[in-house]
Amino acid sequence: KQEVTQIPAALSVPEGENLVLNCSFTDSAIYNLQWFRQDPGKGLTSLLLIQSSQREQTSGRLNASLDKSSGRSTLYIAASQPGDSATYLCAVGSGNTPLVFGKGTRLSVIA
Amino acid sequence: EAGVVQSPRYKIIEKKQPVAFWCNPISGHNTLYWYRQNLGQGPELLIRYENEEAVDDSQLPKDRFSAERLKGVDSTLKIQPAELGDSAVYLCASSLNAASAKNIQYFGAGTRLSVL
Repeated sequence: KQEVTQIPAALSVPEGENLVLNCSFTDSAIYNLQWFRQDPGKGLTSLLLIQSSQREQTSGRLNASLDKSSGRSTLYIAASQPGDSATYLCAVGSGNTPLVFGKGTRLSVIA
Repeated sequence: EAGVVQSPRYKIIEKKQPVAFWCNPISGHNTLYWYRQNLGQGPELLIRYENEEAVDDSQLPKDRFSAERLKGVDSTLKIQPAELGDSAVYLCASSLNAASAKNIQYFGAGTRLSVL
């Protein structure tokens, strides 16, 4: 059974700092890995999707990497801003099986 | 274009009462998902529809939960009777093609259920 772990559970950084969020998964037979953002009281917004054949995806200040063999992904946020404060969730997709989510990392960027 | 729309946003009920949630997916999205998210946890799938057919409902507690997606568009999720442990956020999502490795799910804002 696929299990997804996110470390750290919470993170507080000063504005402008670069940061890395970590995600690990137990079964490397995946279709894709997605990073989502969830603001308090809101649904999830897809940030980046990495297919199993890819190693990284970039969108603006965000860069996500995937190492299938080691079961790891990282989300790199450059020059963090207070507006980046949210919970970031990692989810692993494996064909027609349901997405398996981690518990998320709660990020606070302090102005 | 409107995203995934859910209603109500909040619902407070007493245990043993029935409750229903409604979801309108993005136009043209064949796949619709219902998730439950407990506090401090990631979402967990309850049921997935391909058009009007439920193709994965293995995690749906069928003794009290039911869902339908008439005409392959809107969907409702019902709980009857509700229990204290059902308190959670119920999220609806939709996507174009669940079989694709590029499949992105778009989520609604969710319904926060409190069972007293």
